Amino acid sequence: AQSVTQLGSHVSVSEGALVLLRCNYSSSVPPYLFWYVQYPNQGLQLLLKYTTGATLVKGINGFEAEFKKSETSFHLTKPSAHMSDAAEYFCAVSAGNNNDMRFGAGTRLTVKP
Amino acid sequence: NAGVTQTPKFRVLKTGQSMTLLCAQDMNHEYMYWYRQDPGMGLRLIHYSVGEGTTAKGEVPDGYNVSRLKKQNFLLGLESAAPSQTSVYFCASSYLLAGEQFFGPGTRLTVL
Repeated sequence: AQSVTQLGSHVSVSEGALVLLRCNYSSSVPPYLFWYVQYPNQGLQLLLKYTTGATLVKGINGFEAEFKKSETSFHLTKPSAHMSDAAEYFCAVSAGNNNDMRFGAGTRLTVKP
Repeated sequence: NAGVTQTPKFRVLKTGQSMTLLCAQDMNHEYMYWYRQDPGMGLRLIHYSVGEGTTAKGEVPDGYNVSRLKKQNFLLGLESAAPSQTSVYFCASSYLLAGEQFFGPGTRLTVL
């Protein structure tokens, strides 16, 4: 079965600094990859997704991620952090048309003034 | 559109009690899911449904049952609650298989 590992349960950056959240996946078939964001006491919202095609994917709120098959990675980046980016971020993988989506443990992002 | 809604938002149960969580979606999605979220473990799939009248087991199905009698509703039941089922439960739905999932706001369940 597919799986996801998110490196770092907590990441802290200063406002205006680069945000880098790491995600590595395992899948025996070409994966579909997702990043979701969860604000306090809310459900998850999709930030971006990769299914096929261009490996650099742009999402909402200035986030982007790059699918690197050779590294089995799908890291999330944002050039300049805002206070409003403070949240928990989840990477998820679905094995092609398999309905079973697996989530990582999550990374809590803190943005310092 | 309300999207995905969940009822109730909070619940406290005693060990051995039963309850049903209700999920409703108004997006005409075929696929619906129930997850539980525990600290440090992300979301784990309990059960899912690929259409009205069908259900399937996910990663952690033990102790839970589900039903999908209507396309827009997906019910999660706990027949005999245990403290290990204390968690936040999320319902989600999607239009496509392995596509973007839309999440409800969650139900926080405490089992004493």
